Amino acid sequence: ELKVEQNPLFLSMQEGKNYTIYCNYSTTSDRLYWYRQDPGKSLESLFVLLSNGAVKQEGRLMASLDTKARLSTLHITAAVHDLSATYFCAVFYMEYGNKLVFGAGTILRVKS
Amino acid sequence: DSGVTQTPKHLITATGQRVTLRCSPRSGDLSVYWYQQSLDQGLQFLIQYYNGEERAKGNILERFSAQQFPDLHSELNLSSLELGDSALYFCASSVAWGLAGINEQFFGPGTRLTVL
Repeated sequence: ELKVEQNPLFLSMQEGKNYTIYCNYSTTSDRLYWYRQDPGKSLESLFVLLSNGAVKQEGRLMASLDTKARLSTLHITAAVHDLSATYFCAVFYMEYGNKLVFGAGTILRVKS
Repeated sequence: DSGVTQTPKHLITATGQRVTLRCSPRSGDLSVYWYQQSLDQGLQFLIQYYNGEERAKGNILERFSAQQFPDLHSELNLSSLELGDSALYFCASSVAWGLAGINEQFFGPGTRLTVL
């Protein structure tokens, strides 16, 4: 079974703090995506990670991929209120029918 | 704005009915994907079309069907609706399919379906 697990599922943090969201997946893949979703809105693409060791940064967010450990992390640096949203990781499996399998999502609340 | 459009935004219907959701991909994108998002199931991949042909199938019920037309827009048909079909249905599009390029998927605003 293709499983993608995120933790934590809910994260409440103070502005200015750092934290990491973890995305573990059960079956090897070299391609992973991170998305952001605001309440009642669509998904916005944040990062595309295409190979082992890939690291991408945009503003206060940095994503990395370790395909050997089947683990991706989304690191938040000096959080601000605008980062409050739900963050999803999604793993692409071509050999299992071109599927994009999503994690359950991490609800992030940044308190001022 | 991702460039992917979906209509309608909201749909309220009764059990046993049939509805059609419509999606127009970004200009130049040949692949269209359909997803269902619900509180209990999360985000589930339903089906993918590439240039008019079905390419991948996920957890799509037999009561649901989809197609992609020559102008590349897609429709998702949901029939014999049940209360549990109430969800947000997203369409996404990408340039290619499979491992070709980055193949980033861009999501539309979604259609919220409520079955009463």
